[in-house]
Amino acid sequence: ETGVTQSPTHLIKTRGQQVTLRCSSRSGHNTVSWYQQALGQGPQFIFQYYREEENGRGNFPPRFSGLQFPNYSSELNVNALELDDSALYLCASSPRGAGGHSDTQYFGPGTRLTVL
Amino acid sequence: DQQVKQNSPSLSVQEGRISILNCDYTNSMFDYFLWYKKYPAEGPTFLISISSIKDKNEDGRFTVFLNKSAKHLSLHIVPSQPGDSAVYFCAARHGSGNTGKLIFGQGTTLQVKP
Repeated sequence: ETGVTQSPTHLIKTRGQQVTLRCSSRSGHNTVSWYQQALGQGPQFIFQYYREEENGRGNFPPRFSGLQFPNYSSELNVNALELDDSALYLCASSPRGAGGHSDTQYFGPGTRLTVL
Repeated sequence: DQQVKQNSPSLSVQEGRISILNCDYTNSMFDYFLWYKKYPAEGPTFLISISSIKDKNEDGRFTVFLNKSAKHLSLHIVPSQPGDSAVYFCAARHGSGNTGKLIFGQGTTLQVKP
């Protein structure tokens, strides 16, 4: 079974630029969540996608946006990059549980974004 | 407002002994709790979970205990092995709505000494 994969592994951008990060979900998982992990902190929820629609959002500005594709893969886009956007960006996939909640989330290795 | 807290940034134990990692939470709407382990340059790896209707869940060397009245959970690793050295994150899922977003603690770095 293929796990969650993310690309690229590392990325360096300058302030004001735009970036797109990609995630392929685990086989059979229809829900993708994105998290931002700053140094020394736990991951923070950005948003979740289910059936190609945003299904919940954390406390992040609109310049953070995403997409989910019919094969359940997903993209995270960040516009007008700021220095504080430097972080590890994690994608997690999960199946939708019987109660309607996304079940246990399985994480990819992350993309390390550095904004100069 | 930190809804999930891991108050110990680090823990060091001897190989073969028990490791106990603690986590406190404030929101009574959390219905599911998870522990993840993270090595450097890797994403968090799911370890074990517990539903809010239970007070204990065991999987091999790992046991999670939940005390709802105290809003406290703990992860016990017995016996600890050097390969267990990693950062451990406690996470809680919000029960309302259908997002199931996870709220993470800050992490505890466990070092198991040979």
